[in-house]
Amino acid sequence: EIVLTQSPGTLSLSPGERATLSCRASQSVSSSYLAWYQQKPGQAPRLLIYGASSRATGIPDRFSGSGSGTDFTLTISRLEPEDFAVYYCQQYGSPMYTFGQGTKLEIK
Amino acid sequence: QVQLVESGGGLVKPGGSLRLSCAASGFTFSDYYMSWIRQAPGKGLEWVSYISSSSSYTNYADSVKGRFTISRDNAKNSLYLQMNSLRAEDTAVYYCARDRVTGTIRPFDYWGQGTLVTVSS
Repeated sequence: EIVLTQSPGTLSLSPGERATLSCRASQSVSSSYLAWYQQKPGQAPRLLIYGASSRATGIPDRFSGSGSGTDFTLTISRLEPEDFAVYYCQQYGSPMYTFGQGTKLEIK
Repeated sequence: QVQLVESGGGLVKPGGSLRLSCAASGFTFSDYYMSWIRQAPGKGLEWVSYISSSSSYTNYADSVKGRFTISRDNAKNSLYLQMNSLRAEDTAVYYCARDRVTGTIRPFDYWGQGTLVTVSS
């Protein structure tokens, strides 16, 4: 099983700032099959990024993903009020899908 | 538009059973793998199980293997999760999600709103 470790656990920033979230895998993620999801309270997760760097349909271009192998990053270039939420990474390249434990992005 | 609607959650005693359902619409259900993912109160996401488009392949998280069974009825556009020998640690919101198209590798692009399962005496 591939273990995904996200950091930091909580990130406190202000609207307009840049957010950088990290996801580290315990072994190489096959063909960059790494996704990022956003989840707001009481809602289901929403797919943001797949294939490590491709934006899902309808996702604003302030969201970008990068990385390969074992180190991946989600960047939000300029935070909007609606971006404050919990973010999860997920690998889907191995038969046992796994999620990171999440990063909570909160308003400073 | 793609819709996934879960049902069947509720309160069950430890050792009991429950069957969850997920009704799909807005896409060709029989083309897609489907998954169940759960989220314990205040915790993160945990993938539970997937099933291939034709039911040929299934896979389970170690935490539920031997107790949960995933199935589907393509004629009814429905996904199911039979949960037996339930434990307190199975308490969670259970989401169904659209997985890959057969022959591709894709993440979960659509999720239902979830159904709450509470295991307590």
